[in-house]
Amino acid sequence: DADVTQTPRNRITKTGKRIMLECSQTKGHDRMYWYRQDPGLGLQLIYYSFDVKDINKGEISDGYSVSRQAQAKFSLSLESAIPNQTALYFCATSDPGQPNEQFFGPGTRLTVL
Amino acid sequence: AQSVTQLDSHVSVSEGTPVLLRCNYSSSYSPSLFWYVQHPNKGLQLLLKYTSAATLVKGINGFEAEFKKSETSFHLTKPSAHMSDAAEYFCVVSRSESSGSARQLTFGSGTQLTVLP
Repeated sequence: DADVTQTPRNRITKTGKRIMLECSQTKGHDRMYWYRQDPGLGLQLIYYSFDVKDINKGEISDGYSVSRQAQAKFSLSLESAIPNQTALYFCATSDPGQPNEQFFGPGTRLTVL
Repeated sequence: AQSVTQLDSHVSVSEGTPVLLRCNYSSSYSPSLFWYVQHPNKGLQLLLKYTSAATLVKGINGFEAEFKKSETSFHLTKPSAHMSDAAEYFCVVSRSESSGSARQLTFGSGTQLTVLP
């Protein structure tokens, strides 16, 4: 089984809808991250969490919220989706001892019509 | 502040020929540098990393990269391309791991590698 899993893998939704993307990990890592990937822009950090009680905004947090339900679970929500949130979303984890080595999930492709 | 520039958005090589993917960085402090690979419909996989030890870093699948501080470069190379190397490659810069800092990975915009038969 994959160490970092994301659900759903693909989602098409309409403008104004609320969407939740989920991430689970079995690596036992404390740190979890949400990124979005747009063509030609690399990955941009949305939110990150160092543990269940520590959540921080990244570079592009506007329009997004997160919930760290447990050490192994980190969810990303779009409260009211808009078309420019169409992107590929990645969850990642890291160990505090090696915070810069991150392990990525397979991604969720989100399309907002 | 830190940034990373991947100089080529697309690189095409023939199978069996060398691969060179170029990356330049800027950083206000001693950086850590990484290369990640992303195959279609897959997450990113760490290829190799530089963290202030040896300047020539060997990674998986025959890739290596050399940290050149004077040139602020961290180019990725492979002597002989294989069809399975076709993917997108990301150069990433970070604060040094020893700094005790949090995240701060900065990703380049990616280089799409095509391997021709």
